[in-house]
Amino acid sequence: GENVEQHPSTLSVQEGDSAVIKCTYSDSASNYFPWYKQELGKRPQLIIDIRSNVGEKKDQRIAVTLNKTAKHFSLHITETQPEDSAVYFCAARGGTYKYIFGTGTRLKVLA
Amino acid sequence: DVKVTQSSRYLVKRTGEKVFLECVQDMDHENMFWYRQDPGLGLRLIYFSYDVKMKEKGDIPEGYSVSREKKERFSLILESASTNQTSMYLCASSLVLTGAFPGNTIYFGEGSWLTVV
Repeated sequence: GENVEQHPSTLSVQEGDSAVIKCTYSDSASNYFPWYKQELGKRPQLIIDIRSNVGEKKDQRIAVTLNKTAKHFSLHITETQPEDSAVYFCAARGGTYKYIFGTGTRLKVLA
Repeated sequence: DVKVTQSSRYLVKRTGEKVFLECVQDMDHENMFWYRQDPGLGLRLIYFSYDVKMKEKGDIPEGYSVSREKKERFSLILESASTNQTSMYLCASSLVLTGAFPGNTIYFGEGSWLTVV
């Protein structure tokens, strides 16, 4: 069936360093790839997304890249700050209604 | 700003009890979803609804049912709660199912933590 693999499950970086989270999807019909950030005890919130006709999108310190051929997409956070500490989820939306979510990455930014 | 509200944040229920989780969205969205979130398993879709009184099973519908009598409200029902249903439940909504971005962006509620003892 359709699935999304997300790596790593945990990631610790020093403040100011970059963080990269990678996801691989199986459904070649997937055309929309959002990333959500979930702080402790709070709702997942959309932080950036990309459509299948775009290879890269950037919003200040965060960027997402998409490689349709390889069926993977990545979240890049530069100049990490303590407030970036959270769980990050990737998702892929295919030809049906379904969003398939990755299993999440717990990012810790060490001050 | 889209608002998805889950009325109960923390619940403790006994095994065998019937449990209702309520969700309301204020943006006239067509679609509403119920997800379950467990550590290491991510977000798994239980049910979704694309219109009033319409519903479809997600990936893990067993032990759950849903009700959508009004467009803005989507309820998750545990007919007979069991300990393996202890989890965080997330309601979500989106404007449309298919078609152009950004209508298909999903917005989540704050979550309902359910403990079944």
